[in-house]
Amino acid sequence: QSALTQPPSASGTPGQRVTISCSGGTSNFAINPVSWYRQLPGEAPKLLIHNTDQRPSGVPDRFSGSKSGTSASLTISGIRYEDEADYFCAAWDDTLLFGGGTKLTVL
Amino acid sequence: QITLKESGPTSVRPTQTVTLTCTVSGFSLTTSGGGVAWIRQPPGKALEWLGLMYWREDRRYSSSLRGRLTITRDTPARRVMLIITKVIPADTATYYCAHLLRDYSSGAYHPYFDYWGQGTPLTVSS
Repeated sequence: QSALTQPPSASGTPGQRVTISCSGGTSNFAINPVSWYRQLPGEAPKLLIHNTDQRPSGVPDRFSGSKSGTSASLTISGIRYEDEADYFCAAWDDTLLFGGGTKLTVL
Repeated sequence: QITLKESGPTSVRPTQTVTLTCTVSGFSLTTSGGGVAWIRQPPGKALEWLGLMYWREDRRYSSSLRGRLTITRDTPARRVMLIITKVIPADTATYYCAHLLRDYSSGAYHPYFDYWGQGTPLTVSS
């Protein structure tokens, strides 16, 4: 089973909106929920979004998730320097798959 | 407060069997709807799901490791173990355990990971 497809990198300046995509390519991905994780340098991943668009308590509302067909997205509105990290999507498709990760650089 | 902490050897030889331990606090391993998963990350690479155990002890494993994985638990000791047999250099990674919950969607339950341990590094080398 192939990993979910994410762009390897994304960037923006402070205050900009950045969107990171995650593609599954199968009908299972189109109907199953997606979760998103952020991994700061040298740290463990942290949950940002589950059930495609649900934020756990404590996650700022500038993080939002969505999905259309076989492509999911994580949008960060008003990025900050501390958002510089790796972002991973995940979804179940006969097995649990992670995306390859997107490194966000805040310029 | 939920916490998880991984432990185990940092270095092993190829073909050996390695046991990694996840010690948890702040939740019960038998709480309905929950469980613990194992995920690894080779240096500089993406996350890879390995397997999970739900509260009722039913397990799911990644097919990519071709039967080399076993997840067990010691409920009174609040520990979940990951056993990997016949390790190879490609098993070199940081291994994380994570507390899981489930979303219900499209007639099925789907796990996600709301708390993660700090990770434990494992190097497989001769």
